[in-house]
Amino acid sequence: GDSVTQMEGPVTLSEEAFLTINCTYTATGYPSLFWYVQYPGEGLQLLLKATKADDKGSNKGFEATYRKETTSFHLEKGSVQVSDSAVYFCALTGGYQKVTFGIGTKLQVIP
Amino acid sequence: ETGVTQTPRHLVMGMTNKKSLKCEQHLGHNAMYWYKQSAKKPLELMFVYNFKEQTENNSVPSRFSPECPNSSHLFLHLHTLQPEDSALYLCASSQGNGGDTDTQYFGPGTRLTVL
Repeated sequence: GDSVTQMEGPVTLSEEAFLTINCTYTATGYPSLFWYVQYPGEGLQLLLKATKADDKGSNKGFEATYRKETTSFHLEKGSVQVSDSAVYFCALTGGYQKVTFGIGTKLQVIP
Repeated sequence: ETGVTQTPRHLVMGMTNKKSLKCEQHLGHNAMYWYKQSAKKPLELMFVYNFKEQTENNSVPSRFSPECPNSSHLFLHLHTLQPEDSALYLCASSQGNGGDTDTQYFGPGTRLTVL
């Protein structure tokens, strides 16, 4: 079946540091890939998505590129802020309304 | 800003109680979902409704009973729960076209504690 692998964390960074959260996946066919973010006490919010190979999703300074050859969708941001502290979920869907989520990576940004 | 609302946001109940969680979406979507989020575990899909019809029941115990009276509203009825059912319950909605670009939008969740 489909699966998504990401580090659990926590990842602790100083403000303005560069962020990378790795995500790799296994899936049949050609899934769409997503990053969701969950701030404390809230539900999941869609951060960005990519629907085909080599697409780059971007939003709020975050980027991720759909790499079919390495089955990866790593999340990056050039300069993190304290307000980026949250849990980040990588996910994929191969259709039929089934989304497979990773376990979530907690990011802590300290001033 | 969210087009998916959930009530209540927090709920504490005893094992013999009966309660219901409510979800409403204002996005004009046709599909709605219930997920369970527990610590240290990936999100668990519980139920899927498409055009008010249940299309997925992911081996959920019968003490959880979903209801979808229309495409905008989804309920989760709870009875005789166990302490291990304590979790964050998330509702989501999507267009429901079944394609691999169908994006789910989440509500803020209900934090449930079973004593």
